Formats: sequence, structure tokens, C-alpha cells
Amino acid sequence: DTEVTQTPKHLVMGMTNKKSLKCEQHMGHRAMYWYKQKAKKPPELMFVYSYEKLSINESVPSRFSPECPNSSLLNLHLHALQPEDSALYLCASSRTWGQDTDTQYFGPGTRLTVL
Amino acid sequence: GQQLNQSPQSMFIQEGEDVSMNCTSSSIFNTWLWYKQDPGEGPVLLIALYKAGELTSNGRLTAQFGITRKDSFLNISASIPSDVGIYFCAGQRGSSNTGKLIFGQGTTLQVKP
Repeated sequence: DTEVTQTPKHLVMGMTNKKSLKCEQHMGHRAMYWYKQKAKKPPELMFVYSYEKLSINESVPSRFSPECPNSSLLNLHLHALQPEDSALYLCASSRTWGQDTDTQYFGPGTRLTVL
Repeated sequence: GQQLNQSPQSMFIQEGEDVSMNCTSSSIFNTWLWYKQDPGEGPVLLIALYKAGELTSNGRLTAQFGITRKDSFLNISASIPSDVGIYFCAGQRGSSNTGKLIFGQGTTLQVKP
């Protein structure tokens, strides 16, 4: 089973709202990722968690706040977003982080619209 | 950031035709991955390649890891309408590049029934 699940599937929020995206995997993977994807473009890495610790932050604005409460869960807290933050947000996981064989498996994504 | 050169950018073909797309880089990679993405969905892993020269098949899909480690190709034989989507290649260098995936720009495939 190589399933990564994400909720919600769609999210519409105003610029003053606070919302959270959730990601879950039960493959025993110890690395989890958040990506942002604009239409017809490749995914762009935002954050990497390895063994529940933040390993990489790709200079993401502080209005995006990641959290990894345990090895199976990954959250992305959203606050005071801008319309240009509207995109497909993808979660991914891999067995570990930093090895050549650490193949990443993606979830179905959350389509975020910021009004 | 760094990107792979993926071509063609788009293809419009007749059902039953074979398809070929490729990715090239000026740098070497230790792993090549091919993903397919349907509209509004996440990328789905099609084939993973871990060794230079490796040729791997998955049903009607065949992919190869170039011997120079700087390129990879994906072939689809006898295309069908459900092959429609965007195909992304991705390279990975493991610990020497912190394990980040470097993506190509994608090949959009349309299949005419």
C-alpha cells in the first residue's frame, strides 16, 4: 500500500481566515513533505520533515506553518494568506530522507482558493 | 531553482500510437522517477529507476536510466484515452543534494480516440 491521504480535498478561505491542511500515511515512512503546485507547473518543495523534525524550509513565508505531531501525520496551518497562494497543495512521504532509494509518494492534494 | 529539460512539452496523438518523451540534465542523478498527474489530482509514481542503464517496464510503459546518468526516457506503447495527463520526470541525487527531487517541466499528453 502506497497511499497518502489528504484532507480536505477543496478549501476556500478568506485572507483573514485560519485553516489547516492535513496529511496522513500509514506506510511507516519517516520523511514527509509539503509541496505547492500551480497549474501546469511541476511541484515546488516547501517543507521536509525527517523523523518528525523540520529538516528543510524552502524560504516559505511565515503565513504557512507546518507541524508534524507524529510519524504518520503532517499538518500545514494557514493564516493571513494572499490570493496568489491559491494552488494545489501536495503532501508526499518516503521511507527516509536523503537516500537515493527514498522514492516519494504523493497524496491527491488539497485545492486551495484564497479570496 | 534547478530544473530538468523535459521534451516534448506537449503531444497530441491518435489512440493506438506509441509515445516517447525524455528528460536531460547537465548534472548526474542517482535516481530517475516518472510520475503521471491527472487534472486536480496528485502525481502518481509510474516507474522508479535506480541504476545507470536500467530498463524497466510497467505494463505498456517502459523507462530507461541513461548510461551517462544525465538522461532518462519514457515510452508508452499503444496509447489509450486514459493515458491523457501530464507526465513529469524527476531526478534525485540522494544525500549529495539533500535528497530533493528536481522536476522536469512536464509533458502534456492528449489522446484522440
